[in-house]
Amino acid sequence: AQSVTQPDIHITVSEGASLELRCNYSYGATPYLFWYVQSPGQGLQLLLKYFSGDTLVQGIKGFEAEFKRSQSSFNLRKPSVHWSDAAEYFCAVAPAGANNLFFGTGTRLTVIP
Amino acid sequence: ETGVTQTPRHLVMGMTNKKSLKCEQHLGHNAMYWYKQSAKKPLELMFVYSLEERVENNSVPSRFSPECPNSSHLFLHLHTLQPEDSALYLCASSQAAGTPNYGYTFGSGTRLTVV
Repeated sequence: AQSVTQPDIHITVSEGASLELRCNYSYGATPYLFWYVQSPGQGLQLLLKYFSGDTLVQGIKGFEAEFKRSQSSFNLRKPSVHWSDAAEYFCAVAPAGANNLFFGTGTRLTVIP
Repeated sequence: ETGVTQTPRHLVMGMTNKKSLKCEQHLGHNAMYWYKQSAKKPLELMFVYSLEERVENNSVPSRFSPECPNSSHLFLHLHTLQPEDSALYLCASSQAAGTPNYGYTFGSGTRLTVV
């Protein structure tokens, strides 16, 4: 079945530490891939997206993500987390020809001082 | 300001009430979407509109009725809701339906509580 999986429901990191949020997808062909962030009480904001080409993509707020075809993964990373990064992060995929995005269940990030 | 505005931000309604959610986008986009966000579940696509025409309806109960009078406005009319309909309802827009590669712009959502 087609799916988007974010295996980590909740992650806690110390401020200044590195971060990696996992995302795996299950679709026939490589879809378009996205990461969104949602702060409390807010809508979703696009962090970055991958369509083709360089498998390491840069986004806003110092985030990057790496597409690995062999693992069907699109993990989000940040070398040094700031307290303001505490939020919910959603991976999303858009299969070719689809009318919409399919979202994972999200990973809630807590940042401790 | 994200370019997509949703009102109201919070709504509490009884199961016999009728209310409407409003979404407005000022981005010149041609596609608009309603999503439902419930705790511990993926975002659920409810409706897709392209140039004011509904192009997708994902088996949503008839107690939810969308309306898109023009490409800038989208409504979700609610009536005889159930407590399980309590959720955050998100509106989004994109340049065109079928081209999600451009990404979506989301509003801040309406937190709906059905009592």
